[in-house]
Amino acid sequence: AQTVTQSQPEMSVQEAETVTLSCTYDTSENNYYLFWYKQPPSRQMILVIRQEAYKQQNATENRFSVNFQKAAKSFSLKISDSQLGDTAMYFCAFKTSNTGKLIFGQGTTLQVKP
Amino acid sequence: DSGVTQTPKHLITATGQRVTLRCSPRSGDLSVYWYQQSLDQGLQFLIQYYNGEERAKGNILERFSAQQFPDLHSELNLSSLELGDSALYFCASSVGGLDTGELFFGEGSRLTVL
Repeated sequence: AQTVTQSQPEMSVQEAETVTLSCTYDTSENNYYLFWYKQPPSRQMILVIRQEAYKQQNATENRFSVNFQKAAKSFSLKISDSQLGDTAMYFCAFKTSNTGKLIFGQGTTLQVKP
Repeated sequence: DSGVTQTPKHLITATGQRVTLRCSPRSGDLSVYWYQQSLDQGLQFLIQYYNGEERAKGNILERFSAQQFPDLHSELNLSSLELGDSALYFCASSVGGLDTGELFFGEGSRLTVL
């Protein structure tokens, strides 16, 4: 069974600083996709970034980047120049190529402090 | 705005009752997914429909059922409600049934069972 683990229930960071959220996953599949979703207090789930497992290059989206270590089954999210609007719960999610559903981790609550 | 519409946004009911949650996917999306988010269980996949047919089933209780109609909207029926069913229920949609793209989430329906 595929599982996703986020070992940091809560984190905080000062505005303008950098923070890294951890995620590990377990699968026997070779083709899969990884995502980070953000859930602000408004509770809407918003895609932050995605990574295809077959791509060696780490994905980046503006201030957000990932460190994808396929052999270690690790997929961390780095947020640079943190902003107050980044305060949210962040979910790591996983999808194999033969299914449409996402499997989510337990989430990490990130607070950005002024 | 993700383009996924969920109604109602909030619902308060009593134990033993039955409720129906409604979801309209993004225009052009054929797949609808239902997720339950609770404090102790995190985001749990319930069920997926693709173009009117059930595609995948997760941790959905027998008291719960869903369907997708010809116009592609979906309904999640929750019956014999228990206190533990109180949660945020998300609907998400995607273009295909096994596509590798992201899921687009609605704002959720907050169910409170008293």
